Amino acid sequence: DTGVSQDPRHKITKRGQNVTFRCDPISEHNRLYWYRQTLGQGPEFLTYFQNEAQLEKSRLLSDRFSAERPKGSFSTLEIQRTEQGDSAMYLCASSRGGPQHFGDGTRLSIL
Amino acid sequence: AQTVTQSQPEMSVQEAETVTLSCTYDTSESDYYLFWYKQPPSRQMILVIRQEAYKQQNATENRFSVNFQKAAKSFSLKISDSQLGDAAMYFCAYEEYGNKLVFGAGTILRVKS
Repeated sequence: DTGVSQDPRHKITKRGQNVTFRCDPISEHNRLYWYRQTLGQGPEFLTYFQNEAQLEKSRLLSDRFSAERPKGSFSTLEIQRTEQGDSAMYLCASSRGGPQHFGDGTRLSIL
Repeated sequence: AQTVTQSQPEMSVQEAETVTLSCTYDTSESDYYLFWYKQPPSRQMILVIRQEAYKQQNATENRFSVNFQKAAKSFSLKISDSQLGDAAMYFCAYEEYGNKLVFGAGTILRVKS
């Protein structure tokens, strides 16, 4: 069990650029979740996969955001045309019917 | 929609003493899970304790225990014999089976030596 892995740890980009984050869940975890956390707040749900199927998307996930989980393994979260308000920590979690296990997160900073 | 409220933005405790963090939630469901997660300054979220709503017995994990009052929709965390390593942000969270977590705003716990 190597834990949930997220890459990169930090991403600095200019407003208007596209960014993509990757999450590798714990092996054999069929559920994968994305959350967004702003400074001093609790994480907010963005979207969730069971295997390769995206089962739920939050209204926070505007049309600039897209997430995929091809083959039910790793997942990517892409943000197009980034805005200042996208600056946050993006957390990935995985589970297999039990508690969710979190990765270290990707911190996104928009210049 | 389910909501989770943590009314204590910050708490302090002396090393070796006991502290209780409060959490209330709102749901119309009867079956669900409640969690306490710890997020140290390194920022990885770590599971502290889990409570299943249908179980009346309060969950315990070593120095951590909960007081689960289902009718009152209250779920507090008690930390006994506090240690410096307990200093972190603590989040209360609600989950319908297999679904997303809904988090409270968090409580910063400071441990004084």
